[in-house]
Amino acid sequence: SQELEQSPQSLIVQEGKNLTINCTSSKTLYGLYWYKQKYGEGLIFLMMLQKGGEEKSHEKITAKLDEKKQQSSLHITASQPSHAGIYLCGADIGTSGSRLTFGEGTQLTVNP
Amino acid sequence: DAGITQSPRHKVTETGTPVTLRCHQTENHRYMYWYRQDPGHGLRLIHYSYGVKDTDKGEVSDGYSVSRSKTEDFLLTLESATSSQTSVYFCAIRGLSGSGADTQYFGPGTRLTVL
Repeated sequence: SQELEQSPQSLIVQEGKNLTINCTSSKTLYGLYWYKQKYGEGLIFLMMLQKGGEEKSHEKITAKLDEKKQQSSLHITASQPSHAGIYLCGADIGTSGSRLTFGEGTQLTVNP
Repeated sequence: DAGITQSPRHKVTETGTPVTLRCHQTENHRYMYWYRQDPGHGLRLIHYSYGVKDTDKGEVSDGYSVSRSKTEDFLLTLESATSSQTSVYFCAIRGLSGSGADTQYFGPGTRLTVL
């Protein structure tokens, strides 16, 4: 969706390296969701952010929502091959949670 | 595991034939969604339901219809399939995350090929 821009579109990193994926909107994000998808499978929910400045972590993955609530970043520390997949951000941009708009996704490859 | 199943998981059909995809949930969620996922377009909402017999259109609803006659099942129908409807279709439900926030949980997907 053009309402939600993800960057980069694809990323290749060496195992052990850190990386960051960004999700940007021109509208206020009332809820920002991060999902991971392995090829041929469904989306797995990672975490959800709502408040400006909020930060959450799950294992080696940290997500932040900026103070203006228009950009989120997903940071992976010491990447592993198990982190490989497609990362998608989804956002509630004013529907009280009834509908989400998704970015196009970031394809992450982690080389051993 | 949000208790969502989709059937069939794979289907190959011919242009002009009707196709129905089924989404089944076991946890009595009110909201259910149908998305399609395509390269270069990401995930796009087709239709969603906010209760039995209550449905609304998403951003790519042309050529699709839905029905929800009971809470647990949400059906997506392609009345006359076209090659542009070749895609991976995902069903989702709206539930609560571990922290109590509204979150969408997805089924395993249906890969549809229209020849």
